[in-house]
Amino acid sequence: QQPVQSPQAVILREGEDAVINCSSSKALYSVHWYRQKHGEAPVFLMILLKGGEQMRHEKISASFNEKKQQSSLYLTASQLSYSGTYFCGTPEINNAGNMLTFGGGTRLMVKP
Amino acid sequence: GAGVSQSPRYKVTKRGQDVALRCDPISGHVSLYWYRQALGQGPEFLTYFNYEAQQDKSGLPNDRFSAERPEGSISTLTIQRTEQRDSAMYRCASSLGYGDSPLHFGNGTRLTVT
Repeated sequence: QQPVQSPQAVILREGEDAVINCSSSKALYSVHWYRQKHGEAPVFLMILLKGGEQMRHEKISASFNEKKQQSSLYLTASQLSYSGTYFCGTPEINNAGNMLTFGGGTRLMVKP
Repeated sequence: GAGVSQSPRYKVTKRGQDVALRCDPISGHVSLYWYRQALGQGPEFLTYFNYEAQQDKSGLPNDRFSAERPEGSISTLTIQRTEQRDSAMYRCASSLGYGDSPLHFGNGTRLTVT
């Protein structure tokens, strides 16, 4: 099943903070986060692993609550370059590896 | 180093024609994935390979869609008898293939069926 992201869209002023959430109806052992700028390919930000530490990418950090099957992305002191659509991806495991199911995305716009 | 390369970048075809979309993954990447992405939506899984073996094709919409990766490197996604609803961005991604290795996406092929 597709993970659910919220909010669907956020508009910020430069320097403001935002939180993007990702929830799954199934048990998770990891969550991936990607950012896609307009007209470009999604780019990997970070992976949160079960039992792992909170991760950071520049001033973007993320947490993973295994019990709640949720992950949150924290964008602190947002910069213009943070604008884009953020996707969480959750893995489906089979015998031979894994593939990601992505959420619908959260569109973030940072204004000067 | 070179990233994931997809061709053509844009493809316009008439309804009923067959199309072949090509993906050249990052050298050394074991796993190759095909996704489809509608405007404003997240990537939707189609199929994936480890080396030349197709591991999961559960996301292929119907039997008009097929994919191959015969030598474990370049992959081709083929859509037969295209329909207007097939119009979308088709993205390829590759990864090192171990449990949590990140996906590296290509720039995609924008398919338009008229």
